Amino acid sequence: DAGVIQSPRHEVTEMGQEVTLRCKPISGHDYLFWYRQTMMRGLELLIYFNNNVPIDDSGMPEDRFSAKMPNASFSTLKIQPSEPRDSAVYFCASSPAQGRGSPLHFGNGTRLTVT
Amino acid sequence: KQEVTQIPAALSVPEGENLVLNCSFTDSAIYNLQWFRQDPGKGLTSLLLIQSSQREQTSGRLNASLDKSSGRSTLYIAASQPGDSATYLCAVRLNAGNMLTFGGGTRLMVKP
Repeated sequence: DAGVIQSPRHEVTEMGQEVTLRCKPISGHDYLFWYRQTMMRGLELLIYFNNNVPIDDSGMPEDRFSAKMPNASFSTLKIQPSEPRDSAVYFCASSPAQGRGSPLHFGNGTRLTVT
Repeated sequence: KQEVTQIPAALSVPEGENLVLNCSFTDSAIYNLQWFRQDPGKGLTSLLLIQSSQREQTSGRLNASLDKSSGRSTLYIAASQPGDSATYLCAVRLNAGNMLTFGGGTRLMVKP
């Protein structure tokens, strides 16, 4: 199993540009999570999906952030327009159908730098 | 709101020592607790998951315990090795919802 795959690994962009982060969960996993990690705030849950449906997006910081999961094997997190304070490492994670009772599997993250 | 705290924030020990990492949480109504390892520039790797009905879990040199009533968990690492150097995070999942709340992590360095 290839694990959770995220792309790109690194993204450097200028303030105001649109940024799209991509995630491919582990095949057969029904839950997909987007997390953000910063030195100041640690790991924060942004949004999670169950069977491609967004369940809880209360962690999405503001309307500039949006996430989609068009099918079971792909999800995107979009920031438009990006700001320097969005600089962080963004992680995608997935877990099997037993969701709450199963461990999360994380991707290697996308390090975003907004200048 | 659930808060998860890990102490110490950083720890440096000589190779071979046994060590304990601490995790505390404010809301004892948890569904499970998970310990992760994070290497620099990498994602998180799940080490151990303890259900709320369990007291401990073991995997190799790692042993995690859970005391829900006191809101505490410990990760015990026996005979530490330089390869154990990483950041260790604990995360709790509440009974309601599927959200994990993470602690700030303990950065461990094991010196040869």
